[in-house]
Amino acid sequence: DAGVIQSPRHEVTEMGQEVTLRCKPISGHDYLFWYRQTMMRGLELLIYFNNNVPIDDSGMPEDRFSAKMPNASFSTLKIQPSEPRDSAVYFCASQEAGGIQETQYFGPGTRLLVL
Amino acid sequence: QQQVKQSPQSLIVQKGGISIINCAYENTAFDYFPWYQQFPGKGPALLIAIRPDVSEKKEGRFTISFNKSAKQFSLHIMDSQPGDSATYFCAASRNFGNEKLTFGTGTRLTIIP
Repeated sequence: DAGVIQSPRHEVTEMGQEVTLRCKPISGHDYLFWYRQTMMRGLELLIYFNNNVPIDDSGMPEDRFSAKMPNASFSTLKIQPSEPRDSAVYFCASQEAGGIQETQYFGPGTRLLVL
Repeated sequence: QQQVKQSPQSLIVQKGGISIINCAYENTAFDYFPWYQQFPGKGPALLIAIRPDVSEKKEGRFTISFNKSAKQFSLHIMDSQPGDSATYFCAASRNFGNEKLTFGTGTRLTIIP
């Protein structure tokens, strides 16, 4: 398996623009997580899905952020409108459910810079 | 409310030495405690994990020590190598990892020759 795939790997945009980050989880995994990583706040969970259904979105910072998972193999995180404080590395992770001590597998991340 | 506190923020250890990173948690419902390792430009990757029914788990040079009564756990890296230089995150979860992870703030470890 190719692992968790994220695109784009790098994104530079101007304040006010819409940004869409994409994630393809590992095939067969039931959970999908979106994280944001910054120097100041560390690794923050934004939202996670189980079987394509959002379970906990309490980490989504504000209404400018939205996430969807239309099917088991694809998810998007959208920021509209983007602001400079959204600059961060965004990670997607997936996990297989049902076992004990299941591992979250992280993608390589999308480095977002909002000017 | 930060539920997992990690220290130190950064750590420099000489090659061959022992690296020790500590974490403390508040939620007694946590029952799964993994450590993740992250290299620059990469996503975190699971290094080692422990459940609270044991006090220690060892995998190669990496050991987790767990103190349930104190609600603390630590990562020990024996014979630290330059290739171990990375950021390490402790985390905690309920339901044996089948719920969301709460991460510590991370420790940047540098191993010097």
